[in-house]
Amino acid sequence: DTGVSQNPRHKITKRGQNVTFRCDPISEHNRLYWYRQTLGQGPEFLTYFQNEAQLEKSRLLSDRFSAERPKGSFSTLEIQRTEQGDSAMYLCASSATSGRPYEQYFGPGTRLTVT
Amino acid sequence: TQLLEQSPQFLSIQEGENLTVYCNSSSVFSSLQWYRQEPGEGPVLLVTVVTGGEVKKLKRLTFQFGDARKDSSLHITAAQPGDTGLYLCAGEGWTDKLIFGTGTRLQVFP
Repeated sequence: DTGVSQNPRHKITKRGQNVTFRCDPISEHNRLYWYRQTLGQGPEFLTYFQNEAQLEKSRLLSDRFSAERPKGSFSTLEIQRTEQGDSAMYLCASSATSGRPYEQYFGPGTRLTVT
Repeated sequence: TQLLEQSPQFLSIQEGENLTVYCNSSSVFSSLQWYRQEPGEGPVLLVTVVTGGEVKKLKRLTFQFGDARKDSSLHITAAQPGDTGLYLCAGEGWTDKLIFGTGTRLQVFP
């Protein structure tokens, strides 16, 4: 049983460019979550999916951010027209919903630096 | 809005000392999870507590969920340098997303 994987691990981009991150959840997990973590803070919820359905998006998620999980397996998070304030660690987590509590297991994250 | 506050924010101790980290909220959570995070890595799940008053032990780590399910504590006995890291509590909110605390950065010196 492999854990949650994320690619790339690091991304440096120039302001105004678009970036896309990928997350592969634990295979039997039907829920997938995206969080963002800035230096010195705890992770902050962005959005989550159950299978291919996006069930909730944070009000903090601007229109420049979009996430997909087209086949209910891997997910992508795209940031358009990046800004320096987007620099952060983007974390993906997955969980099963076969029984409470829904424990979330995190991937290693993608560190984004916008120059 | 559900919020979690952790204290202390920073803790620097010598090997062999005991410590307690607190996680407090005015909101009730259906469960609370504790994670440890190393620099540049994702959080690693340590334990989940569900029932008010529940106590769980993981080797030298003892976790407690408050009776009202609004607060939790993590106690480490005889800390070791390998315990160094960022400790995060996270409550399971109304819509199943995790609400994270601000984190406690622990440094254990040999």
